[in-house]
Amino acid sequence: EPEVTQTPSHQVTQMGQEVILRCVPISNHLYFYWYRQILGQKVEFLVSFYNNEISEKSEIFDDQFSVERPDGSNFTLKIRSTKLEDSAMYFCASSQRRGSVRTQLYGYTFGSGTRLTVV
Amino acid sequence: KNEVEQSPQNLTAQEGEFITINCSYSVGISALHWLQQHPGGGIVSLFMLSSGKKKHGRLIATINIQEKHSSLHITASHPRDSAVYICAVLNYGGSQGNLIFGKGTKLSVKP
Repeated sequence: EPEVTQTPSHQVTQMGQEVILRCVPISNHLYFYWYRQILGQKVEFLVSFYNNEISEKSEIFDDQFSVERPDGSNFTLKIRSTKLEDSAMYFCASSQRRGSVRTQLYGYTFGSGTRLTVV
Repeated sequence: KNEVEQSPQNLTAQEGEFITINCSYSVGISALHWLQQHPGGGIVSLFMLSSGKKKHGRLIATINIQEKHSSLHITASHPRDSAVYICAVLNYGGSQGNLIFGKGTKLSVKP
């Protein structure tokens, strides 16, 4: 069964450093997402990406964050100047089609996550 | 007010029991997901549904669009079912597919 692959599984970084979290979405999916989950809290939407540009972002996704699809397979989340409160599990997801009641829904799949610890 | 509410927050059951987890939402949706999160943190999609009922093994998910309510049932529960079960909705109209999550229901099944 196709998978969304995330690397690394765990990243420890010093406060103020930049980190890049990597994701390889399912190959025929067109929509890509980043979510985060702070320990003990619910999963929160960060950003969605389609056709090589951001299609929607939450208020969490400020100038500290950026996303990129540098080649045909990778989808990255960059966090500049990390803060302690950026420590969380970051999930990548991909889907084959935007949801709509009029269309058949295609597999929305999550990666296994990257646990980011900022020290 | 949370857009997606789950109940109960925590649930302890004996092996073999029938389990129900509920999800209510306040927004218009095009689909609802039931997800499973194990202690390691990874999220697995169990069901994605927009109407009616779906069944996979011992798991059954139902949704009532008019009442904005969904339930996840586990029959003949087993300790390996212990996990956090999360309801997430796909907002209808304007959304690019981003999910709105509930806080999850932590299920513990005792042998």
